[in-house]
Amino acid sequence: QSVLTQPPSVSGAPGQRVTVSCTGSSSNLGAGYAVQWYQQLPGRAPQLLIYANNNRPSGVPDRFSGSKSGTSASLAITGLQAEDEADYYCQSYDISLSGVIFGGGTKLTVL
Amino acid sequence: QITLKESGPTLMKPTQTLTLTCTFSGFSLRDSGVGVGWIRQPPGKALEWLAVIYWDDDERYSSSLKTRLTITKDTSRNQVVLRLTNMDPVDTARYYCALRQGEYGSGYSSWGQGTLVTVSS
Repeated sequence: QSVLTQPPSVSGAPGQRVTVSCTGSSSNLGAGYAVQWYQQLPGRAPQLLIYANNNRPSGVPDRFSGSKSGTSASLAITGLQAEDEADYYCQSYDISLSGVIFGGGTKLTVL
Repeated sequence: QITLKESGPTLMKPTQTLTLTCTFSGFSLRDSGVGVGWIRQPPGKALEWLAVIYWDDDERYSSSLKTRLTITKDTSRNQVVLRLTNMDPVDTARYYCALRQGEYGSGYSSWGQGTLVTVSS
């Protein structure tokens, strides 16, 4: 059971907009700790997609955006493409655990 | 160009101690704000953070594995070593090392390809 809760799966058709939620608690997201998002393509290492809630590393398309409010965060993907089919993980810090935490991951299927 | 590569045994027996080495290039662990961490992923499961070591020798560990983990660095050789004692089949996973740089908040901006470690008697 992950400290950050994500839906196991989401899906959308090409061109659509999908969101992936990440729910935490008062000891992590609610305490003000930032959230990061990673994309893991099949058989590949994770790649940083969003850092510090809503910032994209260079090279990440602006179709990907992040937001955070209170104990929850979201990753939005617009203009869905077949190549976006992957697992997505949120990550933050938990003061009670004194360590980095990951969500359980969400599998995005492009219909 | 930043690269990280994990190396170590692929097969372990229960109770043995795992030693993994992360060899990196394109950055220095002498630079302020830089850290190298380890994250693992059991087959078909989620990512689990293990440990990180920073440029200033600060070490942080997963609270659930703290008694079994040790992370060290050799700055001159551009390597970070992770040791995990008393291996168990539940420790079977792909182990990744990754770079943490201050400019990306607390995110891990570059990752190695990972190395699969199987624990079996």
